[in-house]
This record gives sequence, C-alpha cells and structure tokens, in this order.
Amino acid sequence: KQEVTQIPAALSVPEGENLVLNCSFTDSAIYNLQWFRQDPGKGLTSLLLIQSSQREQTSGRLNASLDKSSGRSTLYIAASQPGDSATYLCAVRRGKLIFGQGTELSVKP
Amino acid sequence: DGGITQSPKYLFRKEGQNVTLSCEQNLNHDAMYWYRQDPGQGLRLIYYSQIVNDFQKGDIAEGYSVSREKKESFPLTVTSAQKNPTAFYLCASSTPRGSDQPQHFGDGTRLSIL
Repeated sequence: KQEVTQIPAALSVPEGENLVLNCSFTDSAIYNLQWFRQDPGKGLTSLLLIQSSQREQTSGRLNASLDKSSGRSTLYIAASQPGDSATYLCAVRRGKLIFGQGTELSVKP
Repeated sequence: DGGITQSPKYLFRKEGQNVTLSCEQNLNHDAMYWYRQDPGQGLRLIYYSQIVNDFQKGDIAEGYSVSREKKESFPLTVTSAQKNPTAFYLCASSTPRGSDQPQHFGDGTRLSIL
C-alpha cells in the first residue's frame, strides 16, 4: 500500500531564506508526483507536476525534484516571501492520487 | 474561465439528516473526485468517477453516496450513516487515469454538525 509522508509538519522561516520541503513515498511505481499549495479554507492549487521519467521541474522560485529509486521528492523555495505562507502538499499518482499530510509553512517578515 | 465550482461554501447538518454537496466543472474533464480533509491530515478519497454513469468507491466511502448523470456534475450526499461528517470536502477533476495532466480542485465545502 502506497504511503506518502511529509516532514516537517510545520516550518517557520524568516523572509528571504531558501528552504526545502520533503516528501517521501513507499512505492516507486508511480505515474507522476504533484506538489500543491493550499491557503487556509481554500482548495488546492497545483504548483508543479513531475512525470515519473523526469528528475525535476521548475516554475519561478520553485524547483521540485524527484528520485523514484529512493522514494523521495523535494520542493525548493528560493528567497521566501510572506506570501508563500500556506500548507504545501505532495501527492503521488498511479490511478488515484495519494496525498501526504502537508507541511504548514510560515514566512515571517 | 474554466474551473470547478463547489457549493455551498459552508453547510450544517442536523442529526439524522442527509445533505448534498454540489460540484460542477466546465473543464470538459472526464474524471471527477471527492476528497475529505480533516485538520492536520492529507486528503482521503471518498468516491471517484472516470465517466458518466459510472463511479467507484474510494478509501472512505462508507456513509456517502454519489451520482454522475452529467459529465459536468458530481454531487456528493453525506448520509445519516456517516457518524463523523465534520470535515472540509474537496471536489477535483482531471483527464483520465495515467494522464500527465494535474488534478484541478474546487474551493471546498466545510460541513459541520448542528
């Protein structure tokens, strides 16, 4: 059974810091891995999608990597801003999406 | 603009009552999904539908029912059999399984017990 784990559960950093969010999964047989952002009381916004054949994807200040063999993905946020404060969830897809519990990020001015 | 619309934003249920959450999409997606989110937890799949008039149970389907009579609509009914319905419910849609396209989400419905 696929399990997805995100560490840490919460993270607080000062503005301007570079940071890394971690996601691990137990079964490497996935179609793709997706990183989402969720603002309080809102739905999920897709940030980056990495196909199983890819190693990384970049969008602006965000870079996501995927290492299927070790069952890990990281989301790198450069030069963090208070507007980046949100919960970040990763999910792996093979048929249906399996979600991690999320990392709640707070960026302090 | 294309997207997913969930209504209502907030819903209250009385004991023994069934309530229905609406989800409509105009993205022309074949697949639609219902998830439940509890505080500090990831999303758990309730039901999903790959095509009109067909749907499958997810991981936590007990106490819920769905229908898929139209491609654009996938309503979720929370029945009185669901003893702990207080949660945030999210609807999503995508192109079919195995696709390289991301899932799109609505803004959710928060259900509470009166």
